[in-house]
Amino acid sequence: DAGITQSPRHKVTETGTPVTLRCHQTENHRYMYWYRQDPGHGLRLIHYSYGVKDTDKGEVSDGYSVSRSKTEDFLLTLESATSSQTSVYFCAISDGTGGETGELFFGEGSRLTVL
Amino acid sequence: AQSVSQHNHHVILSEAASLELGCNYSYGGTVNLFWYVQYPGQHLQLLLKYFSGDPLVKGIKGFEAEFIKSKFSFNLRKPSVQWSDTAEYFCAVNGGNQFYFGTGTSLTVIP
Repeated sequence: DAGITQSPRHKVTETGTPVTLRCHQTENHRYMYWYRQDPGHGLRLIHYSYGVKDTDKGEVSDGYSVSRSKTEDFLLTLESATSSQTSVYFCAISDGTGGETGELFFGEGSRLTVL
Repeated sequence: AQSVSQHNHHVILSEAASLELGCNYSYGGTVNLFWYVQYPGQHLQLLLKYFSGDPLVKGIKGFEAEFIKSKFSFNLRKPSVQWSDTAEYFCAVNGGNQFYFGTGTSLTVIP
């Protein structure tokens, strides 16, 4: 398995509180992604990064921000959590986006419950 | 806009039955195509991928998929399923810097 660690793995929080999820990789891959998985919606991209300090929005970025100050770490922050953000969050990494190198490796997931 | 459609939301099969899961995509450029599997309580794992060459791709655990460019399809097949194939299956397309996923197909295999 690819060296991807997500923390925390489980979190319960209250509406309005800030939450930060961390993704740490040991593969030195350039690309990192945050997805959320919800029943009936599959995986939806929140934000992604194509290098240190280089990030871009995905299809469901409202209410989320990200930061990548080092190659190995990609943080996802919910500034003020809402119940609609209850989900399972997956971090993924890739060493390329085309040809033979382009595939995603996933972390174990972080289950967030917002009460 | 880029999109991936999986037409089968939930499939129930008996062991030894054949499997085919449909996947169609919409993307204007060159694409790489993937099938991922998610076993209950686990993260997604790669089953197989297509990036060029032979459109019939073989993956792990006896799965294969065929890329038909004219139909924008990448259907997943397995000749004989096992109980251990019970999982959720996701088709994905890589275009540009992003990967786009279908909504998934839940497969239940009955012993």
